[in-house]
Amino acid sequence: NAGVTQTPKFQVLKTGQSMTLQCAQDMNHNSMYWYRQDPGMGLRLIYYSASEGTTDKGEVPNGYNVSRLNKREFSLRLESAAPSQTSMYFCASRQRTGGLSGNTIYFGEGSWLTVV
Amino acid sequence: KQEVTQIPAALSVPEGENLVLNCSFTDSAIYNLQWFRQDPGKGLTSLLLIQSSQREQTSGRLNASLDKSSGRSTLYIAASQPGDSATYLCAVGLNRLAFGKGNQVVVIP
Repeated sequence: NAGVTQTPKFQVLKTGQSMTLQCAQDMNHNSMYWYRQDPGMGLRLIYYSASEGTTDKGEVPNGYNVSRLNKREFSLRLESAAPSQTSMYFCASRQRTGGLSGNTIYFGEGSWLTVV
Repeated sequence: KQEVTQIPAALSVPEGENLVLNCSFTDSAIYNLQWFRQDPGKGLTSLLLIQSSQREQTSGRLNASLDKSSGRSTLYIAASQPGDSATYLCAVGLNRLAFGKGNQVVVIP
């Protein structure tokens, strides 16, 4: 069972370069998320997609764009990378149910991005 | 804005002792609370999910309680083992999950 798959796992970028982090899930989940994790800051939500065709900003969206390509795939793009975007990035997915209840969220293994 | 705090940030316990990890949150309208485990350089693995209407959840040696009125959740790990060494995070919310910074646990053989 693949679960949530992120690519690439490691990337080094120069300031100003662009790149796209890819994420795919095979659990037929409705909702997908991108987080970044920094020492001392914990996990912060960048963008999320509650369902196919919708995206919303999270806590730290500046400098990023996302695309919900289809139900399986949710990509994160850095248009002009900055050193402040050096971080560990996690993609996650969840089967969103109606009402106030929710289901377990599943995370990918992470993508380590360094901007020099 | 929901604030999630986990204390202590780090702790060490001898093998066999019970672990008690605390998570506090500021807004009681949490929908769900989840506990995760994270190993160094790895992703997060969900341990337990407590829905807002529940007071506790159990899985094996793990038990998590939820007290919305006091804004607290506690994760108990019984008879700790060296393999339990990891960082444990709690998160609250529905789509906009708010995470604590984690409890880094070392179980000493």
